[in-house]
Amino acid sequence: GAVVSQHPSWVICKSGTSVKIECRSLDFQATTMFWYRQFPKKSLMLMATSNEGSKATYEQGVEKDKFLINHASLTLSTLTVTSAHPEDSSFYICSVLSGITDTQYFGPGTRLTVL
Amino acid sequence: AQSVAQPEDQVNVAEGNPLTVKCTYSVSGNPYLFWYVQYPNRGLQFLLKYITGDNLVKGSYGFEAEFNKSQTSFHLKKPSALVSDSALYFCAVRDRSGANNLFFGTGTRLTVIP
Repeated sequence: GAVVSQHPSWVICKSGTSVKIECRSLDFQATTMFWYRQFPKKSLMLMATSNEGSKATYEQGVEKDKFLINHASLTLSTLTVTSAHPEDSSFYICSVLSGITDTQYFGPGTRLTVL
Repeated sequence: AQSVAQPEDQVNVAEGNPLTVKCTYSVSGNPYLFWYVQYPNRGLQFLLKYITGDNLVKGSYGFEAEFNKSQTSFHLKKPSALVSDSALYFCAVRDRSGANNLFFGTGTRLTVIP
């Protein structure tokens, strides 16, 4: 499989502040990356598809102004949670799509806690 | 619309016994099917996938899965369970229409009892 990193692995912030999460594809260049959110004991919910050099595609019900996604290079996508609130506390996981294997490879996740 | 069902929230099996984690899917046309495993506070690790060809797919750590088109199932199996296999397992489906996003099942927690 491919190596995908996320930074930070966990973050605690105050309500109203913004938090940036980085997702890096270490093995290959990724035109497409995905951002998921996972609630405790729940499945993954796709938030958005991040496309290098263009605007992200958000899933229905996901606020694009709250969850800002930037895919400025073929190895880096960032998710910024703006004006975070306690209900944004969750486990955020990114994945990269390999055009060769047609498979998504996932990062280790970032646990966000908003106080 | 695409959907995935994992009917069992929890599966318990004794170490050394065979294990099965069930998955059924609904998708228009022929699917891409995947299994991922998640350990506590970690991301998902790819186990195996079905794209085309042989219905029996072999993957990482001795796992395999069988694609059954008539039953729209893709059950995950392993002949002999290890305690270290205890984790959360997710089945996922993707259609072939061009969109690359995956639809995940709700997950099955596998516990292998020593």
